[in-house]
Amino acid sequence: EPEVTQTPSHQVTQMGQEVILRCVPISNHLYFYWYRQILGQKVEFLVSFYNNEISEKSEIFDDQFSVERPDGSNFTLKIRSTKLEDSAMYFCASSELQADREEQYFGPGTRLTVT
Amino acid sequence: RKEVEQDPGPFNVPEGATVAFNCTYSNSASQSFFWYRQDCRKEPKLLMSVYSSGNEDGRFTAQLNRASQYISLLIRDSKLSDSATYLCVVNIAGGSYIPTFGRGTSLIVHP
Repeated sequence: EPEVTQTPSHQVTQMGQEVILRCVPISNHLYFYWYRQILGQKVEFLVSFYNNEISEKSEIFDDQFSVERPDGSNFTLKIRSTKLEDSAMYFCASSELQADREEQYFGPGTRLTVT
Repeated sequence: RKEVEQDPGPFNVPEGATVAFNCTYSNSASQSFFWYRQDCRKEPKLLMSVYSSGNEDGRFTAQLNRASQYISLLIRDSKLSDSATYLCVVNIAGGSYIPTFGRGTSLIVHP
C-alpha cells in the first residue's frame, strides 16, 4: 500500500538554526499539507500546496516558514531561525484531490526538538 | 469560542460497550467533517467522513447536526483495539479548505 514517508524521524537542533523537514507524498497525489502537533495539544494546520504554489496557510505559517517541491517527489518544510516553541511533531500529508471529502494520508511525522 | 471542541475524556469503557463522542464547531460555513483516530505518538488516520444523512461503517456510526453545529461518533461493541484518541476534523471553506482539528477524545477500552 502506498504511503507518505518523512525524514528524519527525529531532528534535534539548536535555537536559531535552520531545519529542513522532508516528505515524499504518495506518487499520484496532487495536494500536499504540513501540520504540527505540540506535545499534548491538537493537530494544527500549517499550509496546503497545489500546483507548485501555496493554496492556503494558517496564521502560524509566517515568514519563518517556507515550503518547496524541489523535484517530482519531495515536499519540504523549512523553518528558519528555530525557536524553543517550534518543538513539535510535524506531519506531512497528501491527497489525490482537494481535502474536501477526500482522505488525507499522513506520514509518520518528524519530531523536532529545539534546544 | 474555540472553533472545534471535544470532550478530552478519557472515556473508560469495558469491551463490548457502546460509546459515543460529540464534537461541536463554531463556524456555520463549515463544509465537510471527518473523524480520525490517532494512536499514541502516531499519525492521524481517517476513520470516516461524516455525511449530512449520517453514515455507518461496521461498528462505527457518524452523524451530523448542522442546526446545532455538532457531529457525533458512535462505536458499538467496543474492542480493546479501539483504544485511541478520536479527532474531530472540520473543513472551513476559504479559497481552499482549511482543516481544523479538535483536541481529541481519549478512549480506553478495558477487558
